[in-house]
Amino acid sequence: DVVMTQSPLSLPVTLGQPASISCRSSQGLVWSDGDIYLNWFQQRPGQSPRRLIYKVSNRDSGVPDRFSGSGSGTDFTLKISRVEAEDVGLYYCMQGTHWPHTFGQGTKLEIK
Amino acid sequence: QVQLQESGPGLVKPSDTLSLTCAVSGYSISSGYYWGWIRQPPGKGLEWIASISHRGNTYHNPSLKSRVTTSIDTSENQFSLRLSSVTAADTAVYYCVRVDDIWGQGTMVTVSS
Repeated sequence: DVVMTQSPLSLPVTLGQPASISCRSSQGLVWSDGDIYLNWFQQRPGQSPRRLIYKVSNRDSGVPDRFSGSGSGTDFTLKISRVEAEDVGLYYCMQGTHWPHTFGQGTKLEIK
Repeated sequence: QVQLQESGPGLVKPSDTLSLTCAVSGYSISSGYYWGWIRQPPGKGLEWIASISHRGNTYHNPSLKSRVTTSIDTSENQFSLRLSSVTAADTAVYYCVRVDDIWGQGTMVTVSS
């Protein structure tokens, strides 16, 4: 299985400050169609996960533009330009290129 | 608006079979996409269980070996998961998803006698 490794696992951030989460895959994620199926999900307390970013850098509908994704090869990053209170929760990266699809361990974002 | 809703028993006995159904509204599953099941044990991370296409093509997580069965019913616009020989390790919140943009609210399944 492709192992997805996130860091940090805990991320205390001051409101209004930026935040960054790293995700590294154990192998490349380029599918035969040339796309990279690397997604980011947010899970607020008590809720289902919600996809924020798909195929590395594409924001889902309704996702604030303070969220951005980037990366290539085996290294990917989720950035929040200015953290707001509603951003508290767990963040997961997920690869959908290789079966079984696999998730990172999750990063817990909290407000300092 | 596409919505997914899981249903099934919240308590299953060890060695029995866990059966869940996901009802889809706002989209005809025969139109496309893969449909999947993901679980999250209490306080832990996410594990992909299986995916099934609208044509019935399936992918099952090898970690669950032959315990998983998935099916799709386009006439009822729903898909299902069966997990046999369950143990306490199968206790989790089970989510159905439209791979992978839309998630159900999840259903907690506890394996206990």
